Amino acid sequence: DAGVIQSPRHEVTEMGQEVTLRCKPISGHNSLFWYRQTMMRGLELLIYFNNNVPIDDSGMPEDRFSAKMPNASFSTLKIQPSEPRDSAVYFCASSFTGLGNQPQHFGDGTRLSIL
Amino acid sequence: AQSVAQPEDQVNVAEGNPLTVKCTYSVSGNPYLFWYVQYPNRGLQFLLKYITGDNLVKGSYGFEAEFNKSQTSFHLKKPSALVSDSALYFCAVRDGRRDDKIIFGKGTRLHILP
Repeated sequence: DAGVIQSPRHEVTEMGQEVTLRCKPISGHNSLFWYRQTMMRGLELLIYFNNNVPIDDSGMPEDRFSAKMPNASFSTLKIQPSEPRDSAVYFCASSFTGLGNQPQHFGDGTRLSIL
Repeated sequence: AQSVAQPEDQVNVAEGNPLTVKCTYSVSGNPYLFWYVQYPNRGLQFLLKYITGDNLVKGSYGFEAEFNKSQTSFHLKKPSALVSDSALYFCAVRDGRRDDKIIFGKGTRLHILP
């Protein structure tokens, strides 16, 4: 079975540019999570969706960050404008919630570098 | 509020020796506990979980974890370490009364010395 698919795997761009990260969750999963990982702050939950609806976006750093989930098979995380401090590895994860005991499945991440 | 603590940033173990990576948790309801492993340039991979039942849970790659309710701990263990076990390990908890997000610990880097 295909796992969580993220694209691109690497992104290098200049400060001020718009960045869009993409995620395809595992088919049948109804929850999707966006995380950010840095050496300084570790793994941070940015936002999560349940049945395509944003449930908790309290981890989104600021208004420059936005996330959408237009359907059950696709989500985007957008940064506009980007800043050097946004450099990190961004992970998408999905799970089936409703039973409460299912693990999250992670993609291999997008390594973002803002110059 | 739910939380999870991994008190050690790094653990060093000689190959062939038993290993333990520590985790303690705090939740209001019944804990759902998880361990994940992260290899370089990869996402987190699920190792094992405790939901209910036996306190000793067996998972992937020969790992197991022991749930201790009185000590609110869920330590990860392996009887004999391999060099290939070197990675970053995350403990995570979900409050069993709430069917939503998992809270991850800050991670423990495990080094297996040949």
